[in-house]
Amino acid sequence: KQEVTQIPAALSVPEGENLVLNCSFTDSAIYNLQWFRQDPGKGLTSLLLIQSSQREQTSGRLNASLDKSSGRSTLYIAASQPGDSATYLCAVRQETSGSRLTFGEGTQLTVNP
Amino acid sequence: DAGVIQSPRHEVTEMGQEVTLRCKPISGHNSLFWYRQTMMRGLELLIYFNNNVPIDDSGMPEDRFSAKMPNASFSTLKIQPSEPRDSAVYFCASTLGGGSGNQPQHFGDGTRLSIL
Repeated sequence: KQEVTQIPAALSVPEGENLVLNCSFTDSAIYNLQWFRQDPGKGLTSLLLIQSSQREQTSGRLNASLDKSSGRSTLYIAASQPGDSATYLCAVRQETSGSRLTFGEGTQLTVNP
Repeated sequence: DAGVIQSPRHEVTEMGQEVTLRCKPISGHNSLFWYRQTMMRGLELLIYFNNNVPIDDSGMPEDRFSAKMPNASFSTLKIQPSEPRDSAVYFCASTLGGGSGNQPQHFGDGTRLSIL
């Protein structure tokens, strides 16, 4: 059974700092991996989707990398801003699970002005 | 373009009552997903539909839960009878592409359900 772990569970940084969020998964037979952002009282917003054949994806100040063989992904946020404060979740789709996504428990990020 | 629309946003009801949650996916999307989020278990997939047909309902906790998708623009998740342990935030999401996973899922803002 796939298990997804995110470290750290919570992170507090000063504005302007570069930071890395980590995601690991136990079964490397994945189809893709997604990073989501969740604001309090809101649904999830998809940030980046990386196919299993890709190494990384970039969107603005966000860069996500994928090392499928080692079961790891990182989300890099450059020059963090208070507006980046949210919970970040990663989710993997297995090669054999249809459209089922397995989510990590998330990293709660606070960026202090 | 309107996103995924869920109603109601909040529902408080007494144990034993029937609860119906509603979802309108993004127009043109052909896959729809129902999730439940709790502090204890995180985010779990309950069921998903492709072209209005249920594909995987293995996440539905028990027979008290049922989901329907009568057409491409509407889905319901029903709990009957409801129990306090059903209290959670229920999310609906939709995507395009037959649920192949190549497209990101778009989430609604959820229904916060409290069963007293």
